[in-house]
Parts: sequence; structure tokens; C-alpha cells
Amino acid sequence: KQEVTQIPAALSVPEGENLVLNCSFTDSAIYNLQWFRQDPGKGLTSLLLIQSSQREQTSGRLNASLDKSSGRSTLYIAASQPGDSATYLCAVYSGNTPLVFGKGTRLSVIA
Amino acid sequence: GAGVSQTPSNKVTEKGKYVELRCDPISGHTALYWYRQSLGQGPEFLIYFQGTGAADDSGLPNDRFFAVRPEGSVSTLKIQRTERGDSAVYLCASSGSGNTDTQYFGPGTRLTVL
Repeated sequence: KQEVTQIPAALSVPEGENLVLNCSFTDSAIYNLQWFRQDPGKGLTSLLLIQSSQREQTSGRLNASLDKSSGRSTLYIAASQPGDSATYLCAVYSGNTPLVFGKGTRLSVIA
Repeated sequence: GAGVSQTPSNKVTEKGKYVELRCDPISGHTALYWYRQSLGQGPEFLIYFQGTGAADDSGLPNDRFFAVRPEGSVSTLKIQRTERGDSAVYLCASSGSGNTDTQYFGPGTRLTVL
């Protein structure tokens, strides 16, 4: 059974810092991995989707990497801003159920 | 519509009552998913539709939960004899075709069972 773990559970950084969020998964036989953002009381917004054949994806200040063999992904956020404050969720699709999510990392960027 | 919509946004009910939660997917999306998110947890899969049929309902916790999508568009999640443990945010998502596509999520319905 696929399990997804996200570390740290919470993170607080001053504005302007670069930061890395970590995601690990137990079964490396995945089709893709997605990073989502969730604001309080809101639904999820897809940030980046990495196919199993890819190593990384970039969108603006966000860069997600995937090391399928080691079961790890990282989300790098450059020059963090207060508007980046949210919960970031990692989810994998491995063909058994549509998406298996981690519990998320709650990010606070302090102005 | 521009995105996935869900109604109601909030639902408070009493233990033992029946509730229906509605999801309107993005127009043209054939795949539709229901997830449940408890406080401090990631969403947990409930059921997945491809068109009108349930392609995977392995996440439904028990037979009190049922979902339909009769015309391949709008879906309704139905919960009978609600229990306090059913309290959670119920999220709906849709995607263009299959499981490998990006899923677009609605804002969720917050269900509270008193």
C-alpha cells in the first residue's frame, strides 16, 4: 500500500528566503506526482505535475524534482513571499487509487 | 463554468440524518473524483467515476456512503445515517480523461454532524 510522508509538518520562514519542502513515498512504481497548494477553508490548487519519466518541473518561482528510484520529491520555492503562506500537499498516482496524499506541510512566510 | 463547484459549502446535520453533497465538474471532463479530508490530514480517496460509471469505489468507508453520476456530469455523494465521525471536508475533483491527468479541485463541502 502506497504511503506518502511530508516533512516538515510546519515551517515558518522570513520573507525572501528560499525553502525546500520534502515528500517521500514508499512504492516507487508511480505514474506521476503532483504538488498542490491549499489555502485555509479552500480546495486544492495544482502547482506542478511530474510524470514518472521526468526529473523536474518548473513554474515561476517553484521547482519540483522527482527521484523515483529513491521515492523522493522536493518542492523548491525561491524568494518566498507572504502570499506563499498555505499548506502544500504532495500526492502520487501509482495506479491503485487515483491519488494518495501526504498530510501536507503548513508554510508561514513572515513579512 | 470556470472551475469545479460544490454545493452546499457548509452542511450541519444531526446524527442519523441523510445528506447529499453535489459536485459540478469542469465542462467536458469525463473523470470525477470524491475525496474526504479530516482536520490536519491530506485528502483520502473515496470514489472515482469515468463517465457515468464508478470505475473505483474502493475508498468508500462503508455501505452508508453512495455516489452517483447519472448523466456523466454532475455527481452527488449520498451519506445515510450520518455519524459524528463523518464530519470532514468533502472534496470533488475532475480531470480531462483519466487518472494520469491533472485533477482540478472544487472548494469542498464542510460537513458537520452533531
